[in-house]
Amino acid sequence: NAGVTQTPKFRVLKTGQSMTLLCAQDMNHEYMYWYRQDPGMGLRLIHYSVGEGTTAKGEVPDGYNVSRLKKQNFLLGLESAAPSQTSVYFCASSPTRAGGLGTETQYFGPGTRLLVL
Amino acid sequence: GNSVTQMEGPVTLSEEAFLTINCTYTATGYPSLFWYVQYPGEGLQLLLKATKADDKGSNKGFEATYRKETTSFHLEKGSVQVSDSAVYFCALSGGFKTIFGAGTRLFVKA
Repeated sequence: NAGVTQTPKFRVLKTGQSMTLLCAQDMNHEYMYWYRQDPGMGLRLIHYSVGEGTTAKGEVPDGYNVSRLKKQNFLLGLESAAPSQTSVYFCASSPTRAGGLGTETQYFGPGTRLLVL
Repeated sequence: GNSVTQMEGPVTLSEEAFLTINCTYTATGYPSLFWYVQYPGEGLQLLLKATKADDKGSNKGFEATYRKETTSFHLEKGSVQVSDSAVYFCALSGGFKTIFGAGTRLFVKA
């Protein structure tokens, strides 16, 4: 049982390049999330998904797109990277609360460190 | 809307000292409350949680009690160790999202 895995662990991009971050979970969780963590800013939610085929915007969605084609995978795309997107990106998944009313404990991946030059 | 406020760090303590990290929240309904811990170079992991008022969550010597009357969920440990050095996040779940506090960095000196 691997939990939540993220690929890649580290990446360097030039401004304007594109890339996709992959998140996979093997816990059959309904909800999945992408966060970015910057010094002094805590965690900020980028996008999230409450089920296969559905996504929604979080707090800081601009410059990012996501897809959830399979329940176990949640992809984060950067179409044209900017230096402001230099950050550590965390994926998380969560089961639903009893009765299906919202999220419960979140399980985090190890993170992807992205540097945009 | 829902929000979480936790004390700013860093907090620096000597080994075996008593730890308190304050956390207060604003929420509608009946959210679950959490403390997560992040060790250097890792993702967040659940430390403890409480799902209703007056519940006490505990793990690894850490405790926190869900106080609805004071809207608080303060984290405490009676005797910290060097290995407890990490960043601690208070959080609440409401709806489909979890709201995290800004995090409090703890340094424990030997």
